[in-house]
Amino acid sequence: QKEVEQNSGPLSVPEGAIASLNCTYSDRGSQSFFWYRQYSGKSPELIMFIYSNGDKEDGRFTAQLNKASQYVSLLIRDSQPSDSATYLCAVNGGSSASKIIFGSGTRLSIRP
Amino acid sequence: GAVVSQHPSRVICKSGTSVKIECRSLDFQATTMFWYRQFPKKSLMLMATSNEGSKATYEQGVEKDKFLINHASLTLSTLTVTSAHPEDSSFYICSARTGTGVGEQYFGPGTRLTVT
Repeated sequence: QKEVEQNSGPLSVPEGAIASLNCTYSDRGSQSFFWYRQYSGKSPELIMFIYSNGDKEDGRFTAQLNKASQYVSLLIRDSQPSDSATYLCAVNGGSSASKIIFGSGTRLSIRP
Repeated sequence: GAVVSQHPSRVICKSGTSVKIECRSLDFQATTMFWYRQFPKKSLMLMATSNEGSKATYEQGVEKDKFLINHASLTLSTLTVTSAHPEDSSFYICSARTGTGVGEQYFGPGTRLTVT
């Protein structure tokens, strides 16, 4: 089992709709959770981080964390074509406290 | 968010030569920096963890004598690809972590290395 799992996609969402990206992790001791966005040919950009159970909202983005289910998600409201990118889920803490473990990413495509 | 720079952004070198890539945290001190490589349409691959003032920790399968890492200060880490070969051509990305422990990690813009 991979430490951080994501559906590779592509996930196709119409413009203006809500995009929902999901991630599960295996280390129950994990403490911090991140979502990165990566455009083709560019480096990852941190867009959200969450440390506590529940929801965290920042503009059009909402991160949701459920430690009991070892599940973290990212919702993007009012999706725009510029949101089309690969979204990387990352987890830190637990047995790998010194480094962040990345999922392989979900490719999101927003269709006009 | 915190800013991390990398230099150069793109480099082309001949096979057998060495290339140095710099990674700087511009507005924060980073006791820990990370070096990744990424092939087209593939996932990030962690190469090594760089700790200020101590030896880097390399991931399994990464040759420490080929990929030399130096983290001489709290704002600078360097990766030197020694005796580069065409198969070393890749996108190299550094990142720096704010604070200690489980803090956020910010990426530099990456360096595209092409070995001819």
